[in-house]
Amino acid sequence: NAGVTQTPKFQVLKTGQSMTLQCAQDMNHNSMYWYRQDPGMGLRLIYYSASEGTTDKGEVPNGYNVSRLNKREFSLRLESAAPSQTSVYFCASSDRGLKETQYFGPGTRLLVL
Amino acid sequence: GNSVTQMEGPVTLSEEAFLTINCTYTATGYPSLFWYVQYPGEGLQLLLKATKADDKGSNKGFEATYRKETTSFHLEKGSVQVSDSAVYFCALSDHGSSNTGKLIFGQGTTLQVKP
Repeated sequence: NAGVTQTPKFQVLKTGQSMTLQCAQDMNHNSMYWYRQDPGMGLRLIYYSASEGTTDKGEVPNGYNVSRLNKREFSLRLESAAPSQTSVYFCASSDRGLKETQYFGPGTRLLVL
Repeated sequence: GNSVTQMEGPVTLSEEAFLTINCTYTATGYPSLFWYVQYPGEGLQLLLKATKADDKGSNKGFEATYRKETTSFHLEKGSVQVSDSAVYFCALSDHGSSNTGKLIFGQGTTLQVKP
């Protein structure tokens, strides 16, 4: 099992450009999450999908959209990138239930100039 | 709302020293508590967890006890190694009424262990 995979690993964008971050998991998990990690702020939840066909906003959703394409895949889209979106983005997945562990991908480092 | 507060880093220790990283939380209900570790250039991985009061999570020599009376989940290790150098995140499950499995993370504590 590959676990949680993310593409790309690194991306440089200019302000106003768009891009989609891809995430896939092969653990048959119901729930998937997108976080951003910024220095001194830990991880903040952008969007999550509790199950296939549903998505909900997290703590910092502005400027982002998501698609739960199927049970395996959950993508994050930046329609018009801004320098404030420079960050490291992590995708995670978990099985249903409150006490289940989240499994994280290796991250995508995004730089918006 | 629910929140997690960790001690600020960086924490710098010599090899074989005793480690404590403090974590306190604010939550309604009975959240599960977690410690995740992030090694340089990698994603987060679960280190240990505890699902109810007085539970002790342990893994790789690390331990943490879920203390409801002090709302704490401090991470300890008796003898650290250079390979323990990483960023450590405390987290709690934020379930509310929707049972989504969301986590709330502390800001992370960087540990550097010197030989």
